[in-house]
Amino acid sequence: KQEVTQIPAALSVPEGENLVLNCSFTDSAIYNLQWFRQDPGKGLTSLLLIQSSQREQTSGRLNASLDKSSGRSTLYIAASQPGDSATYLCAVAGGYALNFGKGTSLLVTP
Amino acid sequence: GAVVSQHPSRVICKSGTSVKIECRSLDFQATTMFWYRQFPKQSLMLMATSNEGSKATYEQGVEKDKFLINHASLTLSTLTVTSAHPEDSSFYICSAESRTGGLENEQFFGPGTRLTVL
Repeated sequence: KQEVTQIPAALSVPEGENLVLNCSFTDSAIYNLQWFRQDPGKGLTSLLLIQSSQREQTSGRLNASLDKSSGRSTLYIAASQPGDSATYLCAVAGGYALNFGKGTSLLVTP
Repeated sequence: GAVVSQHPSRVICKSGTSVKIECRSLDFQATTMFWYRQFPKQSLMLMATSNEGSKATYEQGVEKDKFLINHASLTLSTLTVTSAHPEDSSFYICSAESRTGGLENEQFFGPGTRLTVL
């Protein structure tokens, strides 16, 4: 069974810092990996989708990398802003549904 | 494109009543829809997978007679929580996937439904 782990569980940084969120998974036989953002009490917003054949994806200040062989992905956020405060979820597609990590709760302070 | 809606966004009901949640793909045909549940400070957990026109497949530990899923069309799936109890209070999120149109292998999520059972 696929296990997805996210580290750290919580992170607080001052505005302007660059930061890295980590995601690891136990089964490297995946179709893709997605990073989501979830605001309190809200649904999911898809940030980046990396297919299994890709190494990274970029969108604005976000960059996600994927190393399938080692079972790792990172989400890099450049020049963090208070509006980036949210929970970031990593999800791995290995069969039909997604396996989610527990998320990293990010707080960016002004 | 690829928008998924859920209705209602929030519902409060009395213990013992049934609640229906709708999940719709607005601009694409969803061959498969998924229902997830999220308890506070927990990860999303898959409850069931439904394919249009066939019975849903439930994950281990999820009671199929309590959580009725109907995927009647390529754009609509419903989740009915029957005889709801306070322990069913949770955040329910659906997602939809299309096998065609360039959307393969990507799930699109609805905004979620907050269920509170008193």
